[in-house]
Amino acid sequence: QVQLVESGGGVVQPGRSLRLSCAASGFSFRSYAMHWVRQAPGKGLEWVAVISYDGSNKYYAGSVKGRSTISRDNSKNTLYLQMNSLRAEDTAVYYCARDGVGYGYNNWFDSWGQGTLVTVSS
Amino acid sequence: DIVMTQSPDSLAVSLGERATINCKSSQSVLYSSNNKNYLAWYQQKPGQPPKLLISWASTRESGVPDRFSGSGSGTDFTLTISSLQAEDVAVYYCQQYYDTPITFGQGTRLEIK
Repeated sequence: QVQLVESGGGVVQPGRSLRLSCAASGFSFRSYAMHWVRQAPGKGLEWVAVISYDGSNKYYAGSVKGRSTISRDNSKNTLYLQMNSLRAEDTAVYYCARDGVGYGYNNWFDSWGQGTLVTVSS
Repeated sequence: DIVMTQSPDSLAVSLGERATINCKSSQSVLYSSNNKNYLAWYQQKPGQPPKLLISWASTRESGVPDRFSGSGSGTDFTLTISSLQAEDVAVYYCQQYYDTPITFGQGTRLEIK
């Protein structure tokens, strides 16, 4: 079965950087686009970024564009999100999610990890 | 960006009764070339990630009970739970994937009356 396990969250000071990882298993990782979606405490869902199955296309939400980089290593079945210049408003649970269509990149999310909490605070 | 607006923000329904959640997009998410609505619905229970219920506005995901149904087209959509069960208590979100950035509704909290 599809399994997505995020890691790398924690408490970080404003202005600092953090790299999140998502280890995938149970499916052909290299065949699917992958997304990051976040959820601030007690709030709704916010899409963050997507990377195509081969890493050739990347798109970002305006709130993180220029400060974050999504990447993937298909040889390691792992998705990453490098977050720089972190702000208090970046505090959230970050989920990795699989795109619902193989080889697509702008669809629904059919599998989600359990999330990793990032807290930006001094 | 396409803005998704759900109504109501919260809803209390008796067990066995019908629950209806609405979602309105700021522009049409119907793609004319394939006549498909680029709209999905999710259920999120406390402490859990969201779970996909419906894609293409009305296609139920495998394993989702048939009491869940989606309808609508263009800019107006509805998620209906035909007979509310205790395990359906959750927050429900609509999501458009017609255009980037992908956007979600603010969520509707469903409770038992």
